[in-house]
Amino acid sequence: QSALTQPRSVSGSPGQSVTISCTGTSSDVGGYNYVSWYRQHPGKVPELMIYDVSGRPSGVPDRFSGSKSGNTASLTISGLQAEDEADYYCCSYAGSGLVFGGGTKLTVL
Amino acid sequence: EVQLVESGGGLVQPGGSLRLSCEASGFTFSTYSMDWVRQAPGKGLVWVSRIKSDGSGISYADSVKGRFTISRDNAKNTLYLQMNSLRVEDTAAYYCARDYQGLAVWGKGTTVTVSS
Repeated sequence: QSALTQPRSVSGSPGQSVTISCTGTSSDVGGYNYVSWYRQHPGKVPELMIYDVSGRPSGVPDRFSGSKSGNTASLTISGLQAEDEADYYCCSYAGSGLVFGGGTKLTVL
Repeated sequence: EVQLVESGGGLVQPGGSLRLSCEASGFTFSTYSMDWVRQAPGKGLVWVSRIKSDGSGISYADSVKGRFTISRDNAKNTLYLQMNSLRVEDTAAYYCARDYQGLAVWGKGTTVTVSS
């Protein structure tokens, strides 16, 4: 149950696009199409942004998209906005439970 | 309104026990798997445990296996986490979450502090 690997930080200017990677193994990310992404603002509860690799819950803007290739999943945020500045976590089913990534701090410059 | 409300957190000494509860409302609790997720101060999210809708299919993170027990009472729309042999490193905010197409619904969390 090792944590998934995410970059500690990424940044972008308003209007730009950023991609956050999430690397696991064939026992988690690569083995199942059950990767989800969460956004957490400071002091707030995490909120689901992407489920099942690329599904988008109702209410989440289409600026957020997800994908997966092999053992690496990615979250892309296009048209960056100030409100996107937050911590982002990936999560994958891992056979007997879930495993989260260590989190990525997104800074909007 | 779909809602999850955790309770039961507090200050406990190392080796002590606590029982967390998570009361669900606004949806048919008995049809969903549920999870506990924790977050230590200033740290990331860590999955703790999961239970399927009928109380079967229970799984735990290695770090809590043998010390924590997840359960549910579908008649009371409530999820539980019994935490025994608590350690300083169990100090965290504990969230319950509804598990379907991702962890789509989260409670506000309850804080557990393990300290002497």
